[in-house]
Amino acid sequence: IAGITQAPTSQILAAGRRMTLRCTQDMRHNAMYWYRQDLGLGLRLIHYSNTAGTTGKGEVPDGYSVSRANTDDFPLTLASAVPSQTSVYFCASSVQGDTGELFFGEGSRLTVL
Amino acid sequence: GQNIDQPTEMTATEGAIVQINCTYQTSGFNGLFWYQQHAGEAPTFLSYNVLDGLEEKGRFSSFLSRSKGYSYLLLKELQMKDSASYLCAVRGGNYQLIWGAGTKLIIKP
Repeated sequence: IAGITQAPTSQILAAGRRMTLRCTQDMRHNAMYWYRQDLGLGLRLIHYSNTAGTTGKGEVPDGYSVSRANTDDFPLTLASAVPSQTSVYFCASSVQGDTGELFFGEGSRLTVL
Repeated sequence: GQNIDQPTEMTATEGAIVQINCTYQTSGFNGLFWYQQHAGEAPTFLSYNVLDGLEEKGRFSSFLSRSKGYSYLLLKELQMKDSASYLCAVRGGNYQLIWGAGTKLIIKP
């Protein structure tokens, strides 16, 4: 089934640990994004990539890093997790063009204790 | 600063019509989106407006007034499955999306 796959679906993590959230898409979309969603707040962009080999910082990039080695994969790494990074993380992709509609993965619920 | 405002929660009755408003202040404008998000699920695309006016898509319609910084999503013939959060997002001058906090719509029988 075409779409975006995120892993893990849910994870509890001790503060200070390193964690990578995986994201893979098979739609050959150029652009990919990582958002976090917290109660009472809109989706906030962490990092994005307009094409393979390039990445950019979003609204809340501190404490996170990404890479885009190829078109399909866009992992998000928390180098040393902190409790404020407890959130639901969504990976999304889009075709750069007319509407730029986003296609989202199912989300990764991360709890940092 | 940039800001998207939409009501936190609305309640409507099955079979009725509901209008969810969104006002925005952004640096530049390159389109407004509405997404639907059921609890515990990913957002899914509903509509896109870049020109003033009404866009109709089945039971859902979206309206935009760029001069007023205003949009609404109109849902007709409400069904229980329409219970969800509705997210308004504006693509600003730098082509990045700015998201509202979402409106939780509760449908009662």
